[in-house]
Amino acid sequence: KAGVTQTPRYLIKTRGQQVTLSCSPISGHRSVSWYQQTPGQGLQFLFEYFSETQRNKGNFPGRFSGRQFSNSRSEMNVSTLELGDSALYLCASSHGQGIADTQYFGPGTRLTVL
Amino acid sequence: DQQVKQNSPSLSVQEGRISILNCDYTNSMFDYFLWYKKYPAEGPTFLISISSIKDKNEDGRFTVFLNKSAKHLSLHIVPSQPGDSAVYFCAASALNAGGTSYGKLTFGQGTILTVHP
Repeated sequence: KAGVTQTPRYLIKTRGQQVTLSCSPISGHRSVSWYQQTPGQGLQFLFEYFSETQRNKGNFPGRFSGRQFSNSRSEMNVSTLELGDSALYLCASSHGQGIADTQYFGPGTRLTVL
Repeated sequence: DQQVKQNSPSLSVQEGRISILNCDYTNSMFDYFLWYKKYPAEGPTFLISISSIKDKNEDGRFTVFLNKSAKHLSLHIVPSQPGDSAVYFCAASALNAGGTSYGKLTFGQGTILTVHP
């Protein structure tokens, strides 16, 4: 079974630009969650999508948005990039139901904002 | 407010010995706990999990213990191997009213484990 894939693996952008990251979940998983990892803040939850609906959202500004498609693939968009948005962005997939719902992570997209 | 804490930034262990990684939490609503292993610039790899109805779960060399009254969990690795050297994160989730954790894991800051040959 293929794991979670993320594209691109690396991105370099300049302040003010926008960026779109993509995540393909494990086959059969309907939930995709996004996280940001930075040295100062650690791993922080951005949002979660299930069956094309955002079910949960973390404490990030509205510049961070996402969506999910009918095949469960998900995209995350960051508009008006700031230097502080430089981070490793991780997506994780799971079944999205039940108590013991384990999330499996992709390799991440390393975003550098100059 | 850090709801999941790993108070030891690093741990050094000799090959073949036991590694014990600790994690404390403050949110009594957490009821599912996971351990992940992570290498730099890679995504976390799931290791083992435990739900709040259990106090122990084993999988090969890995055992997780949960003490709900103390709001404490630990990961034991026996025997430790040099390939276990990585950053270990504990994570927790809470059921919402509907009975499903809506994708939000709260992570600790991680512990760097180094296993010396």
